Amino acid sequence: SYELTQPPSVSVSPGQTASITCSGNKLGDKSACWYQQKPGQSPVLVIYQDTKRPSGVPERFSGSNSGNTATLTISGTRAMDEADYYCQTRDSSTVVFGGGTRLTVL
Amino acid sequence: QVQLQESGPGLVKPSETLSLTCTVSGGSISNYYWGWIRQPPGKGLEWIGHIYYSGTSNYNPSLESRVTISVDTSKNQFSLMLNSVTAADTAVFYCARASLSRIGGSIYYSYYMDVWGKGTTVTVSS
Repeated sequence: SYELTQPPSVSVSPGQTASITCSGNKLGDKSACWYQQKPGQSPVLVIYQDTKRPSGVPERFSGSNSGNTATLTISGTRAMDEADYYCQTRDSSTVVFGGGTRLTVL
Repeated sequence: QVQLQESGPGLVKPSETLSLTCTVSGGSISNYYWGWIRQPPGKGLEWIGHIYYSGTSNYNPSLESRVTISVDTSKNQFSLMLNSVTAADTAVFYCARASLSRIGGSIYYSYYMDVWGKGTTVTVSS
């Protein structure tokens, strides 16, 4: 079965750039998306189709996907961006989530 | 805007069947996939399965033998049944709307879930 691997945690200082990676075999050939989940809340889509931002998602969120790695980048990270982030793709008619990355804004 | 609301028992006994319903309001159930996702306490997201409004469904292979997802377009609802539950099935269950589209001329598809319910906690315990 297809697997997506994320680092368990990433730390960033306020105002700096945070990068969260998601690795999977030939992931760049597929399409990746990213969800943000804050404690006690439902996940929220922040990036879809590798690079697109849904309406209402701040411009500081961006995405890329090439080779075996998709990356979520948060520029000028703010305290409110502290959350768990999950990547997701589709493989052989099933949907796969990464294990999630906890972003800490120190 | 489209909103989703999960409903169903919060407590299910071991070996019994977990049943949840998701009601779609503010929009039509047509032309989208509708999925179920669960999250055990302190853990990550797990896709359970989805159904197209026409009735075609796909399931997580690890749960496929125990899962059934159905849709009732007349009520704008879709439902989840998970049988033979154990304590390991205790989780927050979310319903979500999903979009699926082919990526250019490739064999791959873009799939993302853009609307989520608030989630409902289901505990499996005697």
